[in-house]
Amino acid sequence: QVQLQQSGPGLVKPSQILSLTCAISGDSISTKTVAWHWIRQSPSGGLEWLGRTYYRSKWNNDYALSVKSRITVTPDTSRNQVSLQLNSVTPDDTAVYYCAREDNWTFDYWGQGTLVTVSS
Amino acid sequence: QSALTQPASVSGSPGQSITISCTGTSIDVGAYNYVSWYQHSPGKAPKLMIYKVINRPSGVSNRFSGSKSGNTASLTISGLQAEDEADYYCSTFTKSSTLVIFGGGTKLTVL
Repeated sequence: QVQLQQSGPGLVKPSQILSLTCAISGDSISTKTVAWHWIRQSPSGGLEWLGRTYYRSKWNNDYALSVKSRITVTPDTSRNQVSLQLNSVTPDDTAVYYCAREDNWTFDYWGQGTLVTVSS
Repeated sequence: QSALTQPASVSGSPGQSITISCTGTSIDVGAYNYVSWYQHSPGKAPKLMIYKVINRPSGVSNRFSGSKSGNTASLTISGLQAEDEADYYCSTFTKSSTLVIFGGGTKLTVL
């Protein structure tokens, strides 16, 4: 059974860096048939895809245009975890952040979610 | 790229059937058979209910079914139960640079 355990601060100051980690158990981050995504839900309720990392002979990333200049999704193979870094945050980045595994075009496992509030 | 269009809310009485629509375009819903549906309750992680338009994961009730016609996908829940009350989101992969898009979500109320 795959489990995704998220960790990271719940409060970040404006202009600073949002950093979250998603620890993976029950699967390897390097599995060549899956990808690891970050998705957020704003207070208004909508879900927004942020980015992904996946391994296919080498590591690859894709990012949403809306955050492309500020986001980095990084695999940590030694710890079997994936990290999200979002730079220069504003109150608009306040959201519940989720990591999720994608297998064959489907998000089949999700982390528990982390509420991150951007406020001074 | 805009979110997929879902009704903000639907409701039904126990035992009835409801359908939630998810409308996109020819570069997302209409492009691939990759539409998924997720059930989301407050404080919980989203739960996969339907994948690749019509498929149900193991453990999901057969009261849940999916379909697609053109640029619109649909989730039907038959024999409504109180436990079905939640928010439902559709999603799909796209041909655009925004790889994945979600619907705005539909709040299901069981009367």
